[in-house]
Amino acid sequence: EPEVTQTPSHQVTQMGQEVILRCVPISNHLYFYWYRQILGQKVEFLVSFYNNEISEKSEIFDDQFSVERPDGSNFTLKIRSTKLEDSAMYFCASSYDNEQFFGPGTRLTVL
Amino acid sequence: KQEVTQIPAALSVPEGENLVLNCSFTDSAIYNLQWFRQDPGKGLTSLLLIQSSQREQTSGRLNASLDKSSGRSTLYIAASQPGDSATYLCAVPNSNSGYALNFGKGTSLLVTP
Repeated sequence: EPEVTQTPSHQVTQMGQEVILRCVPISNHLYFYWYRQILGQKVEFLVSFYNNEISEKSEIFDDQFSVERPDGSNFTLKIRSTKLEDSAMYFCASSYDNEQFFGPGTRLTVL
Repeated sequence: KQEVTQIPAALSVPEGENLVLNCSFTDSAIYNLQWFRQDPGKGLTSLLLIQSSQREQTSGRLNASLDKSSGRSTLYIAASQPGDSATYLCAVPNSNSGYALNFGKGTSLLVTP
């Protein structure tokens, strides 16, 4: 069964460094998303992407964040200068229509 | 802003029991509602999607109902098993966009043998 994949599974970085989280959505899906979950808290929406542009973003998704679909299969989330509070589980999701399918997540630890 | 609440926060039941998880949302103008399962340290697995025009959806031992007018959904799990132990999340999309999901905090379920 097709699934969303994410790499790496765990990323440790120093505060102020740039990180790129990678996702491969399900191949025929049209909509792509990033969410995050800080330990012990709710899953929070960051951004959605459709037709090669951002379709919606939350107030969390500020100028430090960017997304890109560099080729026909990958979808990336870049954090330019990481802060301690960016430590969280980051989930990529994709959908063909309404039902969203999530990847296993990347645990980002900022030291 | 859409707010999603799930009750109870945690539940422990013996194997074989039928159980109900509750989800409520503040803005009834939703396109759909999705139930997920999350195992510790893992991603989210989609269980059921109910469209706004539907009243319920079934998959195996799971049955989800939706009452838009009262802003409520329930997830019914029949004949619970230890393998059902996980956190169950309810999510509804933003009313204005239809895509960004708003999640509840979840119900942590433990099914004991």
